[in-house]
Amino acid sequence: GESVGLHLPTLSVQEGDNSIINCAYSNSASDYFIWYKQESGKGPQFIIDIRSNMDKRQGQRVTVLLNKTVKHLSLQIAATQPGDSAVYFCAENPPGGYQKVTFGTGTKLQVIP
Amino acid sequence: DTAVSQTPKYLVTQMGNDKSIKCEQNLGHDTMYWYKQDSKKFLKIMFSYNNKELIINETVPNRFSPKSPDKAHLNLHINSLELGDSAVYFCASSQGSNSNQPQHFGDGTRLSIL
Repeated sequence: GESVGLHLPTLSVQEGDNSIINCAYSNSASDYFIWYKQESGKGPQFIIDIRSNMDKRQGQRVTVLLNKTVKHLSLQIAATQPGDSAVYFCAENPPGGYQKVTFGTGTKLQVIP
Repeated sequence: DTAVSQTPKYLVTQMGNDKSIKCEQNLGHDTMYWYKQDSKKFLKIMFSYNNKELIINETVPNRFSPKSPDKAHLNLHINSLELGDSAVYFCASSQGSNSNQPQHFGDGTRLSIL
């Protein structure tokens, strides 16, 4: 498998617990935010998104919270399962279009059975 | 059917060689991208094309030349490969270039330079 960089933050959670992954974004003008999940050997996969006119959005077992005041994004995963083990990236899209998305550094989620 | 497919999945080659990576998407999207992911998992955009037209060109050496023969394909040609080019290269696509839509990624091409 791929090697994991020593600087990749890691979050370890027990199976069944809730997980919270945090992200600080850089551009206060960004108006669209996305969370991606990357499993080993795969490309990033879309999980959930949120626009800047919202502060919370829920999906199936996942919730994204947006705090524009402090430029903070979080992903909450309910009842974490072994299949949730992956690297999670937040991404921000600045205004003006052209999808010049900037990705965060990523957080590795390890689920302990 | 794979939505965004890249070939080859693995590419091992000598320094100084020229190589190409191909990408195809069957989602009917207008916009395609190339990203580079380094060993620390950092993802950085390299290029973006909308309907065969280049719209994003980040600070990438001109040894890298993207080509889009049609909106479903975006290939990446790399000349005179260097050790620092070793990385995983991801192709992605999205619907529209000027709207907030998630991107769909391929599974990457792992390029190793010897």
